[in-house]
Amino acid sequence: GAGVSQSPRYKVAKRGQDVALRCDPISGHVSLFWYQQALGQGPEFLTYFQNEAQLDKSGLPSDRFFAERPEGSVSTLKIQRTQQEDSAVYLCASWTSGTVNTEAFFGQGTRLTVV
Amino acid sequence: KQEVTQIPAALSVPEGENLVLNCSFTDSAIYNLQWFRQDPGKGLTSLLLIQSSQREQTSGRLNASLDKSSGRSTLYIAASQPGDSATYLCAVSVNDMRFGAGTRLTVKP
Repeated sequence: GAGVSQSPRYKVAKRGQDVALRCDPISGHVSLFWYQQALGQGPEFLTYFQNEAQLDKSGLPSDRFFAERPEGSVSTLKIQRTQQEDSAVYLCASWTSGTVNTEAFFGQGTRLTVV
Repeated sequence: KQEVTQIPAALSVPEGENLVLNCSFTDSAIYNLQWFRQDPGKGLTSLLLIQSSQREQTSGRLNASLDKSSGRSTLYIAASQPGDSATYLCAVSVNDMRFGAGTRLTVKP
């Protein structure tokens, strides 16, 4: 595709519900990042993939958060037993190379609201 | 841990004014620094990417400078327009990309 695509754009979940957020990176992009952005804040790093390998998951806030990229393209961020503090915009970004030394391209984000 | 700070948090200027946004970072061992624009409810759009070996980059009315040794970058916007109103974010890259909290810019007609 022409850019990074995220779905759904908006998600309302009841507290305790599991959610899955999808990211389709630009075709051929090796690196993929997930970020969490609270209202009025900059994006906070969650996790990083190089192809299918998850190289860094140090930013995941709890073991309720899980990310995968099984075939090195599409990635899914799963949040189990959602809590109100999980409400945020979740952004996905991809890079052409295996390092961050190139321009990053971001998706539109998924706005998650936990009620 | 890399800390990125942006000053000011918000800025309101009349149309036509030149302005400077500031970004500082604590660890100078970076690959690059990138400036982004974010419109309300939207994702991030890359404006300028400065590699660690570069001092500045220019695109149209935008000029970004990088002083790695002092841990600072500035984004200069010339002849501001109402369409420039958005949040501007800087991000530094080492093994991942770390963001500041952004500067919310309003350009009044």
